[in-house]
Amino acid sequence: GDSVTQKQGQVTLSEDDFLFINCTYSTTTYPTLLWYVQYPGQGPQLLLKVTTANNKGISRGFEATYDKGTTSFHLQKASVQESDSAVYFCALVNTGGADRLTFGKGTQLIIQP
Amino acid sequence: GGIITQTPKFLIGQEGQKLTLKCQQNFNHDTMYWYRQDSGKGLRLIYYSITENDLQKGDLSEGYDASREKKSSFSLTVTSAQKNEMAVFLCASSMDWGGAYEQYFGPGTRLTVL
Repeated sequence: GDSVTQKQGQVTLSEDDFLFINCTYSTTTYPTLLWYVQYPGQGPQLLLKVTTANNKGISRGFEATYDKGTTSFHLQKASVQESDSAVYFCALVNTGGADRLTFGKGTQLIIQP
Repeated sequence: GGIITQTPKFLIGQEGQKLTLKCQQNFNHDTMYWYRQDSGKGLRLIYYSITENDLQKGDLSEGYDASREKKSSFSLTVTSAQKNEMAVFLCASSMDWGGAYEQYFGPGTRLTVL
């Protein structure tokens, strides 16, 4: 079945540091890939979405590139702020299969002031 | 814009108890979902409903029932709460079924079973 792997359970950075959150996936087709962000006390909200047609998503300073060769969809941001502290979930939709979201386990980002 | 409301925000139950969680959305969305979020395990789909009166099992449906009597509301019942169970239950909705449609999430109901 489909799966999404986020190896980092927690990332701790200082303001203005570069952010890199690892995400790899396994599926039988070329899925749509997504990043959701969950702020404390809230439900997840869509941060960015990438399909095979566009390869790269950019939103609010975050970017992720769809790499079919390495089946990866890492999230990056050049300079993090304290307000970016949240849990980040990588997810995929297998549009040729069950057409439902499969989530990774999430990566908690802690930004120290 | 719209909003998803989940009640209650916190739910404390006893082992073996039947517990009901409620979700309302005013997006006028057709599809609604219930997910379970455990620490370090991501989100897992319990039930979803493509339209009013429709119910579909997700990956984690055992131990739960669901009900969609109206387009705007979707309820989840824990049929027999398990001791020491702690999780957040998230309700979501989307315009239609399918990965192309963004899912909007509510703030969650945090369940603790004593």
